[in-house]
Amino acid sequence: EAGVAQSPRYKIIEKRQSVAFWCNPISGHATLYWYQQILGQGPKLLIQFQNNGVVDDSQLPKDRFSAERLKGVDSTLKIQPAKLEDSAVYLCASSLDLRGGVYNEQFFGPGTRLTVL
Amino acid sequence: GIQVEQSPPDLILQEGANSTLRCNFSDSVNNLQWFHQNPWGQLINLFYIPSGTKQNGRLSATTVATERYSLLYISSSQTTDSGVYFCAGKTGANNLFFGTGTRLTVIP
Repeated sequence: EAGVAQSPRYKIIEKRQSVAFWCNPISGHATLYWYQQILGQGPKLLIQFQNNGVVDDSQLPKDRFSAERLKGVDSTLKIQPAKLEDSAVYLCASSLDLRGGVYNEQFFGPGTRLTVL
Repeated sequence: GIQVEQSPPDLILQEGANSTLRCNFSDSVNNLQWFHQNPWGQLINLFYIPSGTKQNGRLSATTVATERYSLLYISSSQTTDSGVYFCAGKTGANNLFFGTGTRLTVIP
């Protein structure tokens, strides 16, 4: 079974530029998550989708970050314009759905390492 | 959200040694996972363990949900066990909260 796919793996941009990350979850997983992991810290949730609807985006800096999952499968996270403090690893995860128990177990992709200069 | 405290923050072991990593939660959790983040940054699932004990090879984990903690045991450590170990938990319908990790270095 294929895991969570993400691209690109690395991205270097200048501040004020825009950038987009792509994620394809495990086949059949209805719930998709985007996390930000700053060096030396644990991942922090940015946004959570159930199919093509947003479940939780309370931690997403909506003035510069946006995300979509139009067809309920793959997803794109965008930053526009980027700031120096956005330098981090952006992780995508998926789970079967929002039901309790093992259905909630999250599986992570390899991440995209973003450097903002 | 809940607070997740992991200890120790750093651990250096000789190859073949055993270790215990701990995770404390500020509130009861209904979803608890342990992950290993390898040197390339990939988060690898180790255990989904909201309660009880599980074993997988040289690794085992125990969660005592009523006392809001979980333990990860690594036996006969190998250099490939090096990396950062994270626990993460969620309460109710809230999202998954991660600790700050334990950085393990296994030296040959």
